[in-house]
Amino acid sequence: KQEVTQIPAALSVPEGENLVLNCSFTDSAIYNLQWFRQDPGKGLTSLLLIQSSQREQTSGRLNASLDKSSGRSTLYIAASQPGDSATYLCAVHMDSNYQLIWGAGTKLIIKP
Amino acid sequence: DTEVTQTPKHLVMGMTNKKSLKCEQHMGHRAMYWYKQKAKKPPELMFVYSYEKLSINESVPSRFSPECPNSSLLNLHLHALQPEDSALYLCASSHGEGNTEAFFGQGTRLTVV
Repeated sequence: KQEVTQIPAALSVPEGENLVLNCSFTDSAIYNLQWFRQDPGKGLTSLLLIQSSQREQTSGRLNASLDKSSGRSTLYIAASQPGDSATYLCAVHMDSNYQLIWGAGTKLIIKP
Repeated sequence: DTEVTQTPKHLVMGMTNKKSLKCEQHMGHRAMYWYKQKAKKPPELMFVYSYEKLSINESVPSRFSPECPNSSLLNLHLHALQPEDSALYLCASSHGEGNTEAFFGQGTRLTVV
């Protein structure tokens, strides 16, 4: 049974720092992995989707990497800003069906 | 346009009320989902519609009744809810046919009193 873990549960860093959020999964036979952002009480915003055949994806200051063999994905945020403060969740699809398996999220606080 | 629109944003209902949550997308997506999210937890899948047919029901109590009137609309009918059903209800959609990237709405904050 696939399990997805995000460590740490919370992270607080000063503005301007580069940072890495971690996501690990126990079964490497994933179809794809998706990173989301959630502001308090709001819906989820899709940040990046990495297919199982890809090693990384980039969007602006965000870069997501995928290492299936080690069961890890990282989300790199460059030059962090207070507006980046949110909870970041990763989720995996095991195949082309519709079920996402979720990590518990990392709550990120960027201090001005 | 990658927007999924949910209405209402907030809903307070009594345990004897009947209400409906609505979700709409115009991305041509053929899969639509309802999720329930409690505070500080990840979303929990409730229902999936694929090509307007219910394909997944995650053992959700019958007081929640989904409906997919057409490929752009998804409703969740609520009846005789309990206070523990208070949560953020999220709608999502994806293209289908192997493209599983999910796009979420902003959610309906439901409070049952």
